[in-house]
Amino acid sequence: KNQVEQSPQSLIILEGKNCTLQCNYTVSPFSNLRWYKQDTGRGPVSLTIMTFSENTKSNGRYTATLDADTKQSSLHITASQLSDSASYICVVTTGNQFYFGTGTSLTVIP
Amino acid sequence: GAVVSQHPSRVICKSGTSVKIECRSLDFQATTMFWYRQFPKKSLMLMATSNEGSKATYEQGVEKDKFLINHASLTLSTLTVTSAHPEDSSFYICSARLIRTSGSYNEQFFGPGTRLTVL
Repeated sequence: KNQVEQSPQSLIILEGKNCTLQCNYTVSPFSNLRWYKQDTGRGPVSLTIMTFSENTKSNGRYTATLDADTKQSSLHITASQLSDSASYICVVTTGNQFYFGTGTSLTVIP
Repeated sequence: GAVVSQHPSRVICKSGTSVKIECRSLDFQATTMFWYRQFPKKSLMLMATSNEGSKATYEQGVEKDKFLINHASLTLSTLTVTSAHPEDSSFYICSARLIRTSGSYNEQFFGPGTRLTVL
């Protein structure tokens, strides 16, 4: 069964600290994996997209990693800011289907 | 970059009325668009896949007569919530699929969402 699981479900960190969000998937065949950031009351916005051959991709303070062998991805946020408070969603794509993780709710506190 | 818009961003209506939500791909053509529903603090739930020029494909448990989808052009899909009731109050998000010929992968771009409140 194609599934995407994210952990932790929620996370609270102090401003300036780093954090790592996890995404494990069983989706096959694999096409790409994307991390989205969703602010409350807004649509998801893409942070990174990774294909099978890519191990790491950065977008500013966001760095995503992908291990296609173990079917795991992580999103690392460096020097967190209050504006990073949001839900982070991992989406794994086959050729035509999109599989969503349940998301990690991140709260950054001053 | 690819941009998807939704209109309206927020709508309040009386119970029993119908509400139409528009989803537009502004700078690309989308043969496929998706409609999602999201409850507070929950992930997106796919309602239906909207295919240009053909009938939408609904997910199990979604009433097609309740949620009418029309994908009349390559840049516009509409979701009409018919005879809305308070339990239909939710956050509705659309997305459009962009098929990239280079790199050979599909991408999905989301609209900003529509907050529907049914009184």
